[in-house]
Amino acid sequence: GDSVTQMEGPVTLSEEAFLTINCTYTATGYPSLFWYVQYPGEGLQLLLKATKADDKGSNKGFEATYRKETTSFHLEKGSVQVSDSAVYFCALSDPGSSNTGKLIFGQGTTLQVKP
Amino acid sequence: KAGVTQTPRYLIKTRGQQVTLSCSPISGHRSVSWYQQTPGQGLQFLFEYFSETQRNKGNFPGRFSGRQFSNSRSEMNVSTLELGDSALYLCASSPGTSGGTDTQYFGPGTRLTVL
Repeated sequence: GDSVTQMEGPVTLSEEAFLTINCTYTATGYPSLFWYVQYPGEGLQLLLKATKADDKGSNKGFEATYRKETTSFHLEKGSVQVSDSAVYFCALSDPGSSNTGKLIFGQGTTLQVKP
Repeated sequence: KAGVTQTPRYLIKTRGQQVTLSCSPISGHRSVSWYQQTPGQGLQFLFEYFSETQRNKGNFPGRFSGRQFSNSRSEMNVSTLELGDSALYLCASSPGTSGGTDTQYFGPGTRLTVL
């Protein structure tokens, strides 16, 4: 079945460091890919999305490119801030009548940014 | 637009009881999906409702059920609560008409503790 695998955390970085969180997926169709972020005590917020191969999603300095050849959607940011400390989830939505409304999530990666 | 709202935010129940959680989607959204988040299993899809009909269902026992009303508000019910049902329950809304490319917007969640 469909699945998402993220790099294990926690990831600890100093402020202004470069961030990469790896995400790879397995899907039978042509999924849409998402990154969500969860701050302590809150629900999930959409960070960015891409719906087809080679699409690049971007938001708030974060970027991810849909790579079909490597089945990956790695999250990057050039310079992290303390306020970026949160849990990041990679997710896919596989089109098809049997998959409506269903997101499949990776296990989440905790990012800690130190001043 | 107002975001997705969930009530109550916190619940404490004892084993064997039942519980009902409520979710109000973003205005105009017709799809509501429910997820369970636990430290051990991560984020797991429960079910999705669209126009008062369940369109998709995850792999949870029949104790977990839901419904959707004509105004798109949704409720989920868990009967005969078990300790393992302690979790953060998240609902998400989307327009529901674009298949896998739809973005799901999440509420803050209901934290259920079963004693």
